[in-house]
Amino acid sequence: EAQVTQNPRYLITVTGKKLTVTCSQNMNHEYMSWYRQDPGLGLRQIYYSMNVEVTDKGDVPEGYKVSRKEKRNFPLILESPSPNQTSLYFCASSFNAAQNYGYTFGSGTRLTVV
Amino acid sequence: AQTVTQSQPEMSVQEAETVTLSCTYDTSESDYYLFWYKQPPSRQMILVIRQEAYKQQNATENRFSVNFQKAAKSFSLKISDSQLGDAAMYFCAYRLGGAAGNKLTFGGGTRVLVKP
Repeated sequence: EAQVTQNPRYLITVTGKKLTVTCSQNMNHEYMSWYRQDPGLGLRQIYYSMNVEVTDKGDVPEGYKVSRKEKRNFPLILESPSPNQTSLYFCASSFNAAQNYGYTFGSGTRLTVV
Repeated sequence: AQTVTQSQPEMSVQEAETVTLSCTYDTSESDYYLFWYKQPPSRQMILVIRQEAYKQQNATENRFSVNFQKAAKSFSLKISDSQLGDAAMYFCAYRLGGAAGNKLTFGGGTRVLVKP
């Protein structure tokens, strides 16, 4: 089944404790991206990757890191989480921009930083 | 920068009736795509319908249809014969075409309640 898999689904952590949210897709998509969803703000892009070893900042990159060492994986790293990073996070992937499709999304990770 | 605005935080509809969700966007580009996503309580993001800006014909997918007014930069979603399973958050989204189209820009969302 074609899908984007992100883990964990729920995560509660303490301020300052490094964490990684994993994301993997099995569709051979070039594009991958991370979004955060907050009430009233919709989804906002954190980072994106156009292909292996090519990453760039989205609209709200502060406090986050990403890497793209393999085409299928795109982990999101919070090296020192803070309470304002409490949010719902989505990983998404897509074929290149020549396609008219939106992204395929993972199931989301609910992160709470206390 | 492109922006997407959904002016209705919440809409209520009777089962079997029709509801229309509004979306406006701001862009100076001519090559772009517009989408409506549904997010049920499971929080999965589900693509409902998409529209290419160069197409004048409005997209339809079963009970879902759009009214795309390019000059007005408006992209409303009509849900006909509403069902209980249509209850969800709905997000309007914009994506630039071409090589720069790496980002979906979302509106703030509209919650749809369906009354039995």
